Amino acid sequence: AQSVTQPDIHITVSEGASLELRCNYSYGATPYLFWYVQSPGQGLQLLLKYFSGDTLVQGIKGFEAEFKRSQSSFNLRKPSVHWSDAAEYFCAVAVNSGGYQKVTFGTGTKLQVIP
Amino acid sequence: EAGVTQFPSHSVIEKGQTVTLRCDPISGHDNLYWYRRVMGKEIKFLLHFVKESKQDESGMPNNRFLAERTGGTYSTLKVQPAELEDSGVYFCASSRRGTSGSHKTLTDTQYFGPGTRLTVL
Repeated sequence: AQSVTQPDIHITVSEGASLELRCNYSYGATPYLFWYVQSPGQGLQLLLKYFSGDTLVQGIKGFEAEFKRSQSSFNLRKPSVHWSDAAEYFCAVAVNSGGYQKVTFGTGTKLQVIP
Repeated sequence: EAGVTQFPSHSVIEKGQTVTLRCDPISGHDNLYWYRRVMGKEIKFLLHFVKESKQDESGMPNNRFLAERTGGTYSTLKVQPAELEDSGVYFCASSRRGTSGSHKTLTDTQYFGPGTRLTVL
């Protein structure tokens, strides 16, 4: 069965600093990969997704992620963090289940942004 | 276009009581999913509807949980009787129609609602 590991439960960065959130997955074939963000009181919002092709994926809000097959990783990056980026971030993998998409999430990383 | 909505946003009940959660997917979305996040743990899949049919209910914890989607529109998730370990945030998601096994279905985005926070005392 597929699994997703987000090794960092909490991360604190200063506003303007760069950010990298780690994600490792376990799956026998090439998965479909996602990053979602949940701001307080909000639902999960899709930041970006990778299905195939270019391994560097651009998303909304200035985020990007790089798929590295050799490392089974899909780390999320942002060059300069804004205070509004404080939220919880979830990495997810989707696999084919009976012809439909079945999503497995990581445990999430809470991002705190300090002035 | 309205997003996925869930009701209520919060529910506090006592052990042994019944609670019903509701999810209204994005109009026209055939796929509807329920997920649950117990505090501190990952978001876990519960089940998946394609229109009114249960496509996959492998994540349902036990028979105290009953999900329905009559008419293929909104869905309800009933917990009866509720136990302490049922506390958590229940998310609903929907995605647009697609043929089983098609690339479109497998790569389609799931849009999530804000969740219902359930507390069982």
